[in-house]
Amino acid sequence: EAGVAQSPRYKIIEKRQSVAFWCNPISGHATLYWYQQILGQGPKLLIQFQNNGVVDDSQLPKDRFSAERLKGVDSTLKIQPAKLEDSAVYLCASSLSYSRQETQYFGPGTRLLVL
Amino acid sequence: GQQLNQSPQSMFIQEGEDVSMNCTSSSIFNTWLWYKQDPGEGPVLLIALYKAGELTSNGRLTAQFGITRKDSFLNISASIPSDVGIYFCAGTSYGNKLVFGAGTILRVKS
Repeated sequence: EAGVAQSPRYKIIEKRQSVAFWCNPISGHATLYWYQQILGQGPKLLIQFQNNGVVDDSQLPKDRFSAERLKGVDSTLKIQPAKLEDSAVYLCASSLSYSRQETQYFGPGTRLLVL
Repeated sequence: GQQLNQSPQSMFIQEGEDVSMNCTSSSIFNTWLWYKQDPGEGPVLLIALYKAGELTSNGRLTAQFGITRKDSFLNISASIPSDVGIYFCAGTSYGNKLVFGAGTILRVKS
């Protein structure tokens, strides 16, 4: 079974530029999560989708971050404009359902460096 | 918001030694999880705990769900070089989002 796929793996941009990350979850997984992991910290949930609907985006900085999962499968996370403090690893995860949050499978992450 | 305090922050041990780390919270959790993250990869689930007092093993790893439901422990027996990595505790509370600790960095001297 293929795992969670993410691209790109690395991205370097200058502040005020825009960037987008892509995630393809495990086939059949209805719930998709985006996390931000700053160096030295644990992952922090940014947004959670159940199929193509948003379940929780309470920690998403909505003035600059946006995410969508239009067909209930792939998802994109966008930052516009980026700030220095956005430098982090952005992890995508998926689980079979919202009620099975403990069985989340994580992708390898996208490492973002904002200069 | 909910916070998990994980300790120690880092450990440097001899190969073959046993390792213990723990995680505490000021609020009750109904699920405790332990993950390992290798460099350049996402976290991988090691052990999941669902009931207070539960003791679960996965090979050389043993984890316990504290009786108060506010803490959890992870033990690694007879550590080997491939145990190097960052160990995260995480928990959920009645359907809320998964909350992670800051991690314990494990370094093994061969």
